[in-house]
Amino acid sequence: NAGVTQTPKFRVLKTGQSMTLLCAQDMNHEYMYWYRQDPGMGLRLIHYSVGEGTTAKGEVPDGYNVSRLKKQNFLLGLESAAPSQTSVYFCASSYYGTPEAGELFFGEGSRLTVL
Amino acid sequence: KNEVEQSPQNLTAQEGEFITINCSYSVGISALHWLQQHPGGGIVSLFMLSSGKKKHGRLIATINIQEKHSSLHITASHPRDSAVYICAVRFGTWADGLTFGKGTHLIIQP
Repeated sequence: NAGVTQTPKFRVLKTGQSMTLLCAQDMNHEYMYWYRQDPGMGLRLIHYSVGEGTTAKGEVPDGYNVSRLKKQNFLLGLESAAPSQTSVYFCASSYYGTPEAGELFFGEGSRLTVL
Repeated sequence: KNEVEQSPQNLTAQEGEFITINCSYSVGISALHWLQQHPGGGIVSLFMLSSGKKKHGRLIATINIQEKHSSLHITASHPRDSAVYICAVRFGTWADGLTFGKGTHLIIQP
């Protein structure tokens, strides 16, 4: 079982370039999340999805778009990268429906630098 | 705004010491998570709890719903416990993301 896999792990972009981060999970989880982690701050929710074909905005959604065309994949897109989007991005997933539901499983993170 | 506060921000201790990390939150929650982030950056879920106490190996997590407070304890600490410990709470439903504390940077010296 791979769990939650993020690609790429590292990327350097120039201002204005676009890119897509891919999150894939093999646990059949309904819920998937994209967070960003910046120095001195807690992780902040960018967008999330409660199932295939559905997405919703989190705390800091501006400048990002997401898609969940397949249940196992959650894509995070930057249409026109800005230096303020330099961060470490984490994808997470969770299931629901049991007393233990809600435990989060994280990917290893993707470090993005925008010059 | 719903907030999560952790203390201390940084903690250095000697191997074998009993460690306590605290987390307090502003309003009622549906669940609280303790997470561990190692220097390599990966994040691992340690506990998820909504009441009482949970234990796994040398780690113990407690929560007091009335006082809006949780603690993470490490018994017989070891250098491999050195990591950032993060408290996160769910203020809303399953579909809502978590609100994270800023983390406690723990260093255990041999």
